[in-house]
Amino acid sequence: AQSVTQPDIHITVSEGASLELRCNYSYGATPYLFWYVQSPGQGLQLLLKYFSGDTLVQGIKGFEAEFKRSQSSFNLRKPSVHWSDAAEYFCAVSPSGGSYIPTFGRGTSLIVHP
Amino acid sequence: DTAVSQTPKYLVTQMGNDKSIKCEQNLGHDTMYWYKQDSKKFLKIMFSYNNKELIINETVPNRFSPKSPDKAHLNLHINSLELGDSAVYFCASSPGTGSEAFFGQGTRLTVV
Repeated sequence: AQSVTQPDIHITVSEGASLELRCNYSYGATPYLFWYVQSPGQGLQLLLKYFSGDTLVQGIKGFEAEFKRSQSSFNLRKPSVHWSDAAEYFCAVSPSGGSYIPTFGRGTSLIVHP
Repeated sequence: DTAVSQTPKYLVTQMGNDKSIKCEQNLGHDTMYWYKQDSKKFLKIMFSYNNKELIINETVPNRFSPKSPDKAHLNLHINSLELGDSAVYFCASSPGTGSEAFFGQGTRLTVV
């Protein structure tokens, strides 16, 4: 079974600083990878996804993520954080074959200081 | 139009009661899910329905039962509610294998 690890429970950054949120996965083959964002009191919104091809994927709101097969990682980055980016971020993985059942990491809470 | 909608948004009820949460998607997706998010934000898959057939049930107590009257709806029924059932429940849908999930706004269930 696949699993996802987000090692950072909380990340605090200053507005305008760069951001990197870590995600590691465990799966026998290359899975489909996703990053979602959850604002307080809201559902989850997809930021970006990786299926195959270019390992650097661009998403909405200025986010990008890089798939590194050798490290089983799919870290999320943003060059300059805005106060509105404060939210919960979830990495998710699903098998690349068979039924699509996404498994989520425990989430990373992003705090943005003015 | 809201893509995945859940009702109610908030639900407060007493232990032992039976309650339902409704979910509808207007995206034409074949697969729908229910997730439970606990107080630590952990998202756990509860059920997945594909073309009205249950394809996975992740060791959820049988007090929880999903019901899908048609492809656009997946309702969650909970019998004999317990304090530990308090959580946020999310409905989601997906067009199929390898695609992202689209989430509803969530239902915050509080059992007192």
